[in-house]
Amino acid sequence: DIQMTQSPSSLSASVGDTVSITCRASEDSSNYINWYQHKPGKAPNLLIYGAFSLQSGVPSRFSARRSGTDFTLTISSLQPEDFATYYCQQTYSSPFTFGQGTRVEIK
Amino acid sequence: QVHLVQSGPEVKKPGASVKVSCKASGYTFTSDGFSWVRQAPGQGLEYMGWISAHNGKTNYAEKFEGRVTMSTDTSTDTAYMEVRALRSDDTAIYFCARINFRNRFTFDYWGQGTLVTVSS
Repeated sequence: DIQMTQSPSSLSASVGDTVSITCRASEDSSNYINWYQHKPGKAPNLLIYGAFSLQSGVPSRFSARRSGTDFTLTISSLQPEDFATYYCQQTYSSPFTFGQGTRVEIK
Repeated sequence: QVHLVQSGPEVKKPGASVKVSCKASGYTFTSDGFSWVRQAPGQGLEYMGWISAHNGKTNYAEKFEGRVTMSTDTSTDTAYMEVRALRSDDTAIYFCARINFRNRFTFDYWGQGTLVTVSS
């Protein structure tokens, strides 16, 4: 199974800050990497698919990049509605594993 | 637009079974598939498996093989997930998600979640 190691597990930031979250895949996952935002009591929301592509309707302050087996989600100019938990996921090979999640909290 | 609407909360005793439904609308049901993901209290997202709505092919995570059955009903555009022999650690919110086979198996739309509580 491909393991997704996500860091940090949590971070505190202020509105307007730029934050980054990283996932390291245990083996090659090509660009079959997705990023989701999840708020308590809500359905997860797809932000990024195919490692880099912004899902329709997602603000452009969300972006992603890849370096080898490291994948990074960046949120520029944090907004109040961005405080949530973020997960990476690989869909390159089954089981389609998720990272452990990163909770983004208000400082 | 695409909508996935799940069935309501369930309370079950250990050893019982539960079947959660996920009704789809807004797209051609058989063009994609469904995955099921759960979140136990205080934990992250856990992938359970997927089913093709086109041909019924399934793929389960090893942890759930033999205890979970995923199915679809093309006459009602509904996906189902049944868990048997429930244990207390199956207490979780269960989500269905559309799995887009045309786009790298992306989980692009999700249901609102169904809370399943297992308690004696």
